[in-house]
Amino acid sequence: DAGITQSPRYKITETGRQVTLMCHQTWSHSYMFWYRQDLGHGLRLIYYSAAADITDKGEVPDGYVVSRSKTENFPLTLESATRSQTSVYFCATLGGTDTQYFGPGTRLTVL
Amino acid sequence: SQKIEQNSEALNIQEGKTATLTCNYTNYSPAYLQWYRQDPGRGPVFLLLIRENEKEKRKERLKVTFDTTLKQSLFHITASQPADSATYLCALDPGNTPLVFGKGTRLSVIA
Repeated sequence: DAGITQSPRYKITETGRQVTLMCHQTWSHSYMFWYRQDLGHGLRLIYYSAAADITDKGEVPDGYVVSRSKTENFPLTLESATRSQTSVYFCATLGGTDTQYFGPGTRLTVL
Repeated sequence: SQKIEQNSEALNIQEGKTATLTCNYTNYSPAYLQWYRQDPGRGPVFLLLIRENEKEKRKERLKVTFDTTLKQSLFHITASQPADSATYLCALDPGNTPLVFGKGTRLSVIA
C-alpha cells in the first residue's frame, strides 16, 4: 500500500541502549521529517532531510542521529537512550502542495 | 522571540454549535498557515492550507481565516458533531525552514 509507515509501533528499551526507529514512504517525496510529541510541548522537529544524503537539524537534535541513503527511508537512531527521550515519534513527508503526511507514530519508553 | 500559540488547551462545545479555535503567532511572516487534525494514538492529518493573500478558505463544514495584520488564524467547525472531537493543530511556514506547529487545542463535542 502507498503511504508512510513506521516501525516498530511500540518500543521499550533501557537507558544507554541504542535504538533505531524506522520510517518508510512509497511516494518518493523529497522531504522527510522526524518529530517528537510530548505533553506540554506539542510537535517538535528533531531532524529533517531534503533529499537522499542531505539532512539538517531541527529544534531538538541532541542525542539523535539520522541518515538517508535512499529516498524512501529515513531512520532515526538514539545512540544512547535516556529517559528524557521517552516520547511519541512521528515521521512525515512533504507532498507537492506543501502538505505534510504523517506516519502512525512510534511510542518509545526508556526505562 | 518567535512564538505560535493556540490559545486554548481544551474546548468543550455542544453538538450543533460552531467551534472556533484560535492560532496566534509573533515574529513570523508566514507565506501560509495550515490546520491539522490529530486523533488519539494517530499522526496528524492535514485539513486546510490558507495563504497570506487569502482571507478565508472553506472545506465542507470547515472554515479558516487568516489575518496577517492581527497575526491570527481562526478555525471554525460549523454544525459540530461528536465525531469532530480531536486535537487540532495549527502550523505555519516560517520561511526557509520546516513548518512550526502549535501545541494544539483538544476539542470535545458533547452530544
